[in-house]
Amino acid sequence: AQSVTQPDIHITVSEGASLELRCNYSYGATPYLFWYVQSPGQGLQLLLKYFSGDTLVQGIKGFEAEFKRSQSSFNLRKPSVHWSDAAEYFCAVTPNDYKLSFGAGTTVTVRA
Amino acid sequence: DAGVIQSPRHEVTEMGQEVTLRCKPISGHDYLFWYRQTMMRGLELLIYFNNNVPIDDSGMPEDRFSAKMPNASFSTLKIQPSEPRDSAVYFCASSPGTDYGYTFGSGTRLTVV
Repeated sequence: AQSVTQPDIHITVSEGASLELRCNYSYGATPYLFWYVQSPGQGLQLLLKYFSGDTLVQGIKGFEAEFKRSQSSFNLRKPSVHWSDAAEYFCAVTPNDYKLSFGAGTTVTVRA
Repeated sequence: DAGVIQSPRHEVTEMGQEVTLRCKPISGHDYLFWYRQTMMRGLELLIYFNNNVPIDDSGMPEDRFSAKMPNASFSTLKIQPSEPRDSAVYFCASSPGTDYGYTFGSGTRLTVV
């Protein structure tokens, strides 16, 4: 069955520290991959996306993600976290049919 | 562009009442999606439209739910009759269809008591 897994429900990180959020997918072929961020009471905002080509993708707000076909992963990273990065992060995939499937999300808490 | 606009932001209604959620997509976006977000089930795709035509409604939970898109700038999601288990945040999103990126609205938080 096709699925998207975010293994970490909650991550706490200190301000200024690095952050990595994990995402694994299970699809027959390489799907299109996305990361979204949701601040409390807000909609989802697209951080970055991967379709093909360079496996390291740069996004907004200083985020990047790396696609690894061998591991069926698309992990999100940020070198130095700011307090404003506290939010919920969703990995999403589509096998090219416009229907996005979302992971369960990872809540990031940033401590001073 | 003002983005995807949803109304109302919050809705509290009594069980059995009809509820209508509204969405205005970004101009020029050919795809419109309705999602539901709950703690238990996460984000679920309910239905999506292409050029105002419903393409896939397999995520609509039951016949109490219906969605329409009478024109390119407006869509509604209706629940009749509403039940407490329908309480959730309902998101509308639109996409130009060329790069698969969605733009989400701010959502409607529905509470059925």
